[in-house]
Amino acid sequence: DTGVSQNPRHKITKRGQNVTFRCDPISEHNRLYWYRQTLGQGPEFLTYFQNEAQLEKSRLLSDRFSAERPKGSFSTLEIQRTEQGDSAMYLCASSLTGGFEGQYFGPGTRLTVT
Amino acid sequence: GQNIDQPTEMTATEGAIVQINCTYQTSGFNGLFWYQQHAGEAPTFLSYNVLDGLEEKGRFSSFLSRSKGYSYLLLKELQMKDSASYLCAVPASGGSYIPTFGRGTSLIVHP
Repeated sequence: DTGVSQNPRHKITKRGQNVTFRCDPISEHNRLYWYRQTLGQGPEFLTYFQNEAQLEKSRLLSDRFSAERPKGSFSTLEIQRTEQGDSAMYLCASSLTGGFEGQYFGPGTRLTVT
Repeated sequence: GQNIDQPTEMTATEGAIVQINCTYQTSGFNGLFWYQQHAGEAPTFLSYNVLDGLEEKGRFSSFLSRSKGYSYLLLKELQMKDSASYLCAVPASGGSYIPTFGRGTSLIVHP
């Protein structure tokens, strides 16, 4: 499978716990994006990487959120001290620089904070 | 900043044609994307318009008018599998191409 993959697909956690999600982009894509999506809304941008450099972060990304892409390949998104408001679908997407062909999305990780 | 507006929901009959509109406001135009998203699944790329006019791709066509800040997605010969959310997205200027997505239009196709 040469698409974007994300793990885990579902995560249920208790409030206050830390969670980490992984994204493996399409291998030749140098851009990687993280989004959050709640029911009835479009994806909201969180952060993006070009290769291993994190170039932009949304104001939505509080200091409890951190993302890494250590070798310019896979990426992780960590949420510390989760809150119920963090419950959402977390989507990863990748693209070639320029992105005129659009972004390729992974299946997402659905987070439920109880 | 960017602002995108599209209808929340539309219904149509199998075999018919439906037009989903999107209006946008952006400080620097860098094209417009349409994505399809089935319930519980990730968005998939449908089209990208950067010049005015209609681009046809099989049963789906996308139109852009930059002067009016307006686009539409036209779906012909509707099939039940076309029931999905259709997202309009405008990428940021300045090289990042970070898209701002609309809320999506939920299309329900009935027999």
